[in-house]
Amino acid sequence: DIQMTQSPSSLSASVGDRVTITCQASHDVNNYLNWYQQKPGKAPKLLIYDASNLETGVPSRFSGSGSGTHFTLTINGLQPEDFATFYCQQYDELPWTFGQGTKVEIK
Amino acid sequence: DVQLVESGGGLVRPGGSLRLSCVASGFTFNTYWMSWIRQAPGKGLEWVANIKEDGSEIYYVDSVKGRFTVSRDNAKNSVSLEMNSVRVEDTAVYYCARVASFWSGYYRLWGQGTLVIVSS
Repeated sequence: DIQMTQSPSSLSASVGDRVTITCQASHDVNNYLNWYQQKPGKAPKLLIYDASNLETGVPSRFSGSGSGTHFTLTINGLQPEDFATFYCQQYDELPWTFGQGTKVEIK
Repeated sequence: DVQLVESGGGLVRPGGSLRLSCVASGFTFNTYWMSWIRQAPGKGLEWVANIKEDGSEIYYVDSVKGRFTVSRDNAKNSVSLEMNSVRVEDTAVYYCARVASFWSGYYRLWGQGTLVIVSS
């Protein structure tokens, strides 16, 4: 199975900050890498698909980059509604696997 | 509205059985792969299973193989998860989600989730 490791596991940030979350895959996932945002008690929401494609309706302050085994989710100008947990997910091979999550909290 | 609605969760004893259902509306159900994904309390997301548009291909995570069975009824726009020989570690919120396509394994549409608690 492909292991997905996110870092950090949590972070504290202020409104307006630039936030970067990384996702490391144990094997090359050929850019088949997605990012989701989840708020408490809610289902995850797709932010980025195929490493760098912004999902329709998602604010442009979110961006994704990377290739192979190393990927990054960046939030440029953190907003109050962005405080949540973020997950990466690979679908290069079954079983599809998620990172353990990164919780973004208010400083 | 385009939506997925799960039902069937609840409390079940270890070794028992439970059947979850997910009803789709607002889109052409029989043109999409569907997934079940679960999330243990306070934990991350775990992919559980995929089922092809016509039900002819099904894939499971190793931890549920032989215990869980996914099926679908395209006439009723529904997908089900039959859970047998459940274990304490199966306790989770179970989500059904629509796969963009088998070659595009991302989820644009999720249900609200249904909670399964396995406890004696």
